[in-house]
Amino acid sequence: EAQVTQNPRYLITVTGKKLTVTCSQNMNHEYMSWYRQDPGLGLRQIYYSMNVEVTDKGDVPEGYKVSRKEKRNFPLILESPSPNQTSLYFCASSPGMTDTQYFGPGTRLTVL
Amino acid sequence: GQSLEQPSEVTAVEGAIVQINCTYQTSGFYGLSWYQQHDGGAPTFLSYNALDGLEETGRFSSFLSRSDSYGYLLLQELQMKDSASYFCAVRNMNSGYSTLTFGKGTMLLVSP
Repeated sequence: EAQVTQNPRYLITVTGKKLTVTCSQNMNHEYMSWYRQDPGLGLRQIYYSMNVEVTDKGDVPEGYKVSRKEKRNFPLILESPSPNQTSLYFCASSPGMTDTQYFGPGTRLTVL
Repeated sequence: GQSLEQPSEVTAVEGAIVQINCTYQTSGFYGLSWYQQHDGGAPTFLSYNALDGLEETGRFSSFLSRSDSYGYLLLQELQMKDSASYFCAVRNMNSGYSTLTFGKGTMLLVSP
């Protein structure tokens, strides 16, 4: 089944404790991206990647890192999480950068 | 930067027709997409317009006017399951890079 998976789905952590949210797709898509969703603000793009080893900042990159060492995986790294990063996070992938995006199920992160 | 405006909430009854408008301000406009999201779930793609005019997909249609920086999503024969949030999203292309910027979403409430 073609899908985008994210792990964990739910995470409660404390300020400053490094964490990684994994994202994997099995559709051989070149383009992957991360979004955060906050009430009343819609989805905002954090980072995106057009291919292996090619990443760039979206609209709200501060406090986040990403890497794209393999085509299928695009992890989101929070080196020192803060409470303002409490949010619902979505990973998405598409065949090319202008194509329809397929979203993962989301990761609900709470930083205390 | 980019900005999108869409109504925060729309209500309608089963069987009715509803139109959700989206106006945008952006540079490097490439196309307008619409996504549906049920409460807390993954956004799913509905429709995409790169050129002016109407695109029809079953009960859903989407319209774009590039000269007016305006688009809308039309939902016909509304069903209870259509109660969800609907996001317009602008695809931009600048210097060979593409970003997707989402509006804040319109919550559609369908009543019996």
